[in-house]
Amino acid sequence: GAVVSQHPSRVICKSGTSVKIECRSLDFQATTMFWYRQFPKQSLMLMATSNEGSKATYEQGVEKDKFLINHASLTLSTLTVTSAHPEDSSFYICSAREGSGRETQYFGPGTRLLVL
Amino acid sequence: QKEVEQNSGPLSVPEGAIASLNCTYSDRGSQSFFWYRQYSGKSPELIMSIYSNGDKEDGRFTAQLNKASQYVSLLIRDSQPSDSATYLCAALTGGGNKLTFGTGTQLKVEL
Repeated sequence: GAVVSQHPSRVICKSGTSVKIECRSLDFQATTMFWYRQFPKQSLMLMATSNEGSKATYEQGVEKDKFLINHASLTLSTLTVTSAHPEDSSFYICSAREGSGRETQYFGPGTRLLVL
Repeated sequence: QKEVEQNSGPLSVPEGAIASLNCTYSDRGSQSFFWYRQYSGKSPELIMSIYSNGDKEDGRFTAQLNKASQYVSLLIRDSQPSDSATYLCAALTGGGNKLTFGTGTQLKVEL
């Protein structure tokens, strides 16, 4: 299957700082990338959908000014958690899809964020 | 009502047995369904996708879809301890643009 990478895999930061997470599709062009968040013992919750070259679509309850998403190329999307707080500590996972609709989403390995 | 529902488990089966995982969904417009496996601390990995009513087999895995009953299942034959993980059922919703996940079923395969 297709390969999606994320960087960093783990990050610890102080409260109030910003953290950027990168998601890359390594062997295909991702027209759409998705950002999920997963709290312990819970399922994946979609945060936002981003299409290359356009603004991200955020799910209800997700603050667009706090979670900045940029999808500047067909192989790279970034999620920036601004002014992070301890409650933002979570497992952030991106996925990428080559086409649309039925096309399979391939998941990155995830980024574990801990805000102190 | 949640869009995709699964029994959280844990479901315990002995090694070599068949594990049966079930999932129901509420959006009748959903046409595509996926089973993902997630090991603790890792991201999900795709096991199977299914789009048509009936069975779809891939190695030890068989996915079953019944759109009339809005029911998806995953059978794992000859279960191995390495199959112990959380299995996530997902449906393509929102007009076919986004995946909605169930809460997952924890499977434990015991020696």
